[in-house]
Amino acid sequence: DAMVIQNPRYQVTQFGKPVTLSCSQTLNHNVMYWYQQKSSQAPKLLFHYYDKDFNNEADTPDNFQSRRPNTSFCFLDIRSPGLGDAAMYLCATSSGQGIAEAFFGQGTRLTVV
Amino acid sequence: GIQVEQSPPDLILQEGANSTLRCNFSDSVNNLQWFHQNPWGQLINLFYIPSGTKQNGRLSATTVATERYSLLYISSSQTTDSGVYFCAVDSYGGATNKLIFGTGTLLAVQP
Repeated sequence: DAMVIQNPRYQVTQFGKPVTLSCSQTLNHNVMYWYQQKSSQAPKLLFHYYDKDFNNEADTPDNFQSRRPNTSFCFLDIRSPGLGDAAMYLCATSSGQGIAEAFFGQGTRLTVV
Repeated sequence: GIQVEQSPPDLILQEGANSTLRCNFSDSVNNLQWFHQNPWGQLINLFYIPSGTKQNGRLSATTVATERYSLLYISSSQTTDSGVYFCAVDSYGGATNKLIFGTGTLLAVQP
């Protein structure tokens, strides 16, 4: 059974039109991460939550926002997508303590037209 | 922040060959994982190995935390092993729970 679920798998959005990607987990993990991965590159951490505490990476553009309304769900909002935001977006979770193994969802591939 | 470098960047093998992938990191870590990224982009967990040695079938991994490196061994490679292999670390220094990825190794196994 999938433990980290991302929806949708593929998203096409128009230049400048806000878009939201969603992630849910059944692991009851404290930490949820969002990564951006462009072609032939390593995943790049955008931000993460430890419970409700939000941790933004210094180089994450303001165009990217996140919400975590409860333990199970986390959302990535892109306020005004540009062509350069086309990428695979990966969500992950970990317990954040002890054996803090991270588990990833299948990703959402975002196309901006 | 912590730097994570992987080598080699690219590797081509004939089916049945063995290989060793390396991950070097610049600071002490409290978490190290190896992943295989499949052709559809999903990251598959291979090992959670902040220290020591683990084996799972044809794959094994060793992390020498005091020397700041980890190795992933693939024996008797198969075409299905092709893809990108990443290590990722969570550093003791600075904020915790920041899982940072290495540069990756692109492996191609030819029949």
